[in-house]
Amino acid sequence: AQSVSQHNHHVILSEAASLELGCNYSYGGTVNLFWYVQYPGQHLQLLLKYFSGDPLVKGIKGFEAEFIKSKFSFNLRKPSVQWSDTAEYFCAVSVSSGSARQLTFGSGTQLTVLP
Amino acid sequence: DVKVTQSSRYLVKRTGEKVFLECVQDMDHENMFWYRQDPGLGLRLIYFSYDVKMKEKGDIPEGYSVSREKKERFSLILESASTNQTSMYLCASSSASLGNTIYFGEGSWLTVV
Repeated sequence: AQSVSQHNHHVILSEAASLELGCNYSYGGTVNLFWYVQYPGQHLQLLLKYFSGDPLVKGIKGFEAEFIKSKFSFNLRKPSVQWSDTAEYFCAVSVSSGSARQLTFGSGTQLTVLP
Repeated sequence: DVKVTQSSRYLVKRTGEKVFLECVQDMDHENMFWYRQDPGLGLRLIYFSYDVKMKEKGDIPEGYSVSREKKERFSLILESASTNQTSMYLCASSSASLGNTIYFGEGSWLTVV
């Protein structure tokens, strides 16, 4: 079975700082990759996803992620964070040929942006 | 937009009570899920359903059951609530036609006292 690791549990940045959140997965086959965000008091929302093609994926609100197959990584980046980016971020992996069930989430990274 | 609606945002129940959490989606998705979210543990899959009356156990099904009598509705049942079931419960849905991207409801905060 696949697994997902998010090594940073809590990240604190000042506004305008650059962000990179790590996500590593373990699975030898073809995967679909997702980043979800949960703003305080709100439901989980899809930030971006990778299925195939260009490994650099752009999502909403200026976020992007790069799939590096050789490193089993799908790190989330943003060049300049804002206070409104304060949220919890979840990386998720699904096996592309498997059932919808096989979506595995990381434990999440809480991002706090100081004004 | 996909809309996944969970009927109760906040519930407080007593130990031993039977608890029903209801979820409805309006996009004709064939797949529906129940997760629980706990600090430091991320999201863990309790049960999922890929069709009406069909269900499969997730990673932590113990103490839970589910019901899917109609395509748009997926219910989570706690037969006898316990304090270790205090958590945030998230319903979600997806469709293979949309690449199995999962869409979440707003969550139900359940406190068992």
